[in-house]
Amino acid sequence: DAGITQSPRHKVTETGTPVTLRCHQTENHRYMYWYRQDPGHGLRLIHYSYGVKDTDKGEVSDGYSVSRSKTEDFLLTLESATSSQTSVYFCAISGGGASTDTQYFGPGTRLTVL
Amino acid sequence: SQQGEEDPQALSIQEGENATMNCSYKTSINNLQWYRQNSGRGLVHLILIRSNEREKHSGRLRVTLDTSKKSSSLLITASRAADTASYFCATAARDTGFQKLVFGTGTRLLVSP
Repeated sequence: DAGITQSPRHKVTETGTPVTLRCHQTENHRYMYWYRQDPGHGLRLIHYSYGVKDTDKGEVSDGYSVSRSKTEDFLLTLESATSSQTSVYFCAISGGGASTDTQYFGPGTRLTVL
Repeated sequence: SQQGEEDPQALSIQEGENATMNCSYKTSINNLQWYRQNSGRGLVHLILIRSNEREKHSGRLRVTLDTSKKSSSLLITASRAADTASYFCATAARDTGFQKLVFGTGTRLLVSP
């Protein structure tokens, strides 16, 4: 999985609780992304980062925040989890010259919000 | 909204047969990519084709791009059971300022021994 780890791999939480998912890379790639995958929707971009402390919103950013204080770590936070945020979350990285070059994906985190 | 839409949604073939799946998109692109996802795993990049290219090959994979029809096809020749997976196209499109990849909903391929 191209030097990408995600933690935790599985999480069950309750509505209204904060949740943080971590993506860690050992490739020193510039770009990092968070996607969610739901049946019938494919992958949808939540947020991405184009450098330390540089982030931008994706298609489905409401209810999510991100932070990147180091090249290797990209955190996704659900400030107050809702059942609609039950999903599989994938982190991806890219080391190309553009944010739309080849992406390498982590193994995913399955989040269930009760 | 989805930029790329794959067709068919599901495909079932026998080992040794060829598998063809298609992707249509809506706005101008600067590249189109195909990814594979095995059940319960992350996506794996297969091929990237740029808007000025018409065809690319990688092993048993052949990708074509027709920008006039806004469509691409992925051909897997001599399919194997191990090719069973979901296949997604992703586009870097004008409506995102060419800054973000937008994924389709995928084609589920089942290759039976």
